Amino acid sequence: GEDVEQSLFLSVREGDSSVINCTYTDSSSTYLYWYKQEPGAGLQLLTYIFSNMDMKQDQRLTVLLNKKDKHLSLRIADTQTGDSAIYFCAESIGSQGNLIFGKGTKLSVKP
Amino acid sequence: EAQVTQNPRYLITVTGKKLTVTCSQNMNHEYMSWYRQDPGLGLRQIYYSMNVEVTDKGDVPEGYKVSRKEKRNFPLILESPSPNQTSLYFCASSLVAGTPYEQYFGPGTRLTVT
Repeated sequence: GEDVEQSLFLSVREGDSSVINCTYTDSSSTYLYWYKQEPGAGLQLLTYIFSNMDMKQDQRLTVLLNKKDKHLSLRIADTQTGDSAIYFCAESIGSQGNLIFGKGTKLSVKP
Repeated sequence: EAQVTQNPRYLITVTGKKLTVTCSQNMNHEYMSWYRQDPGLGLRQIYYSMNVEVTDKGDVPEGYKVSRKEKRNFPLILESPSPNQTSLYFCASSLVAGTPYEQYFGPGTRLTVT
């Protein structure tokens, strides 16, 4: 079945760049998403990328998609302590657009 | 304010005692969904609804029921809760089913079944 894999933890220093990686299995996914979950809160959509794109940039966020390798990454430039959260990669499947989530990567930003 | 609300936010109950977690959205969204979040497992979809009176199973529907009698509400029902249903539950909604419409998430309901 469909599966989305992410590393569970990432620790960076404030001001450095963070790169969170994700692999997915469903080659028919049309959209791939990055969600952010702050402590005690629900998920918030950060950005998404259409499968015919290689890259999408939105302020400090850069999403790279390698469709051949089914690899997605999220780069956060100039990481701040407020970026500390769990980041979920998700792929959409089927016509209903149901989301399959990865297990989440906990990003810790040290001052 | 556009939002998805869930009640209760926290619930401790005992095995076998029926409970309902409510979910309501004020955005006139057609699509609604329930997820559970467990450590090391991420989010898994329980049930979803494409519109009023249209519901379908997600990846982990066993032990749960849902109903969609009106557009704004999508309650999650546990007829006979068991300890393995202890989890953090999220309701979500989007304008319509399908991509790339953003799913808006509620704040979560932390359920403990003893």
